[in-house]
This record gives sequence, C-alpha cells and structure tokens, in this order.
Amino acid sequence: RKEVEQDPGPFNVPEGATVAFNCTYSNSASQSFFWYRQDCRKEPKLLMSVYSSGNEDGRFTAQLNRASQYISLLIRDSKLSDSATYLCVVNKESNYQLIWGAGTKLIIKP
Amino acid sequence: GAGVSQSPRYKVAKRGQDVALRCDPISGHVSLFWYQQALGQGPEFLTYFQNEAQLDKSGLPSDRFFAERPEGSVSTLKIQRTQQEDSAVYLCASSLNRGGEQYFGPGTRLTVT
Repeated sequence: RKEVEQDPGPFNVPEGATVAFNCTYSNSASQSFFWYRQDCRKEPKLLMSVYSSGNEDGRFTAQLNRASQYISLLIRDSKLSDSATYLCVVNKESNYQLIWGAGTKLIIKP
Repeated sequence: GAGVSQSPRYKVAKRGQDVALRCDPISGHVSLFWYQQALGQGPEFLTYFQNEAQLDKSGLPSDRFFAERPEGSVSTLKIQRTQQEDSAVYLCASSLNRGGEQYFGPGTRLTVT
C-alpha cells in the first residue's frame, strides 16, 4: 500500500462547478498536511496547508480527518485556471521529509 | 525576491556519462531538499541538507547518486554513469527551517539516451 494515495483522475468538471478530492495516508503519526498544485511541466507550488480544524482560502477548503486518515480539498466555483494536478503531501514523523501522492488531475471545461 | 533556481533546465546525457545538477536556494533558507519526479508521479524524496550537513540521504536510489552543499547555500546533485532509468525531472526545494513550507525550483529535466 502506498503511503499517500490519491485518485489519479482526470476529473473533468464544467466551469463553475464544485469539485472535491480525497487523499488517504497510512502513517498515523503524521503531523503536517498540505495540498500542492502542479501545472504541466512546472514545479509544485503550495496551495494550502491543512489544519486539524479545517481551513478555507477563498474558493478552496481543506479538511483533515485524523480518525480515518484522510484529507480533502474542495474547490467551489471552479475556474478554467484551476486546471492542474493537485498533489496531496504528508510529512513523515521526522517532520521534514514529505511524502507525496501521485496527484489528481483536474480539467475544468468551459 | 529571487526564488529557487536550478540549472541546467534540460540535460540530455548519453548512458554512462556523469551529470551535475545545480540548485541555488532562496537566500537564508537553511533546509534544502532534492526530489526525483517521474512522469505521472509525485516527487520522490532523495536527500536533505540542513545548512552544509547532509542529514538524510535515504532516498538516493544508488551509490551513483551523490549530493553536496559545501558552504550551506548552493547544492549540486551528481549522477555518475547515468542509466536510462535515471531519466526524470530533478526538483530542488528550500525552506526557511526544518518543517517549514518548501519552495521549489523549476527542475532539471534529465533525459538519458
């Protein structure tokens, strides 16, 4: 079993719709969680950290469920520019080594 | 300010050649990471430096891979006797401190023919 698992997609979603991704992780001792965005042939960029209480940044909402060991990302009112691969990232107990999911590809269609 | 830079952006090497990939982290960032990313996969951890000390090299796939950061700033990832399976994008990231947000460079796309 992979340490961080994501549905690879692609998710094909019409512009303006709401889309949600989940990601599961295997290490119950993980403390830090992140969503990164990666555009085609570009480097990953931090989208948002995920806090225990959940957090929201504009159209983006992230949730953490420690009991079930998954994190989620919700995108409301999706834009064409949201098309990218979304990578779920979890730290190892060492607190610096990040374990990356393979990413979920999102395609927003006009 | 300037972000993380990497050079070269693209490198084509013949099998058996040695290559050296350079990373210039954000000034003042203590932590530096190297990752390998294959097509359609997330980045895989290779090695971690805190200043000039290489604290973790558990992700280096073989002894052909070597990384250094002698003065605690610029880092070089060297791959000796390259093999086709080394073809990937090599990403460098830096963070202000251990556990902090990691900022990535644009990567070096290595193709071994």
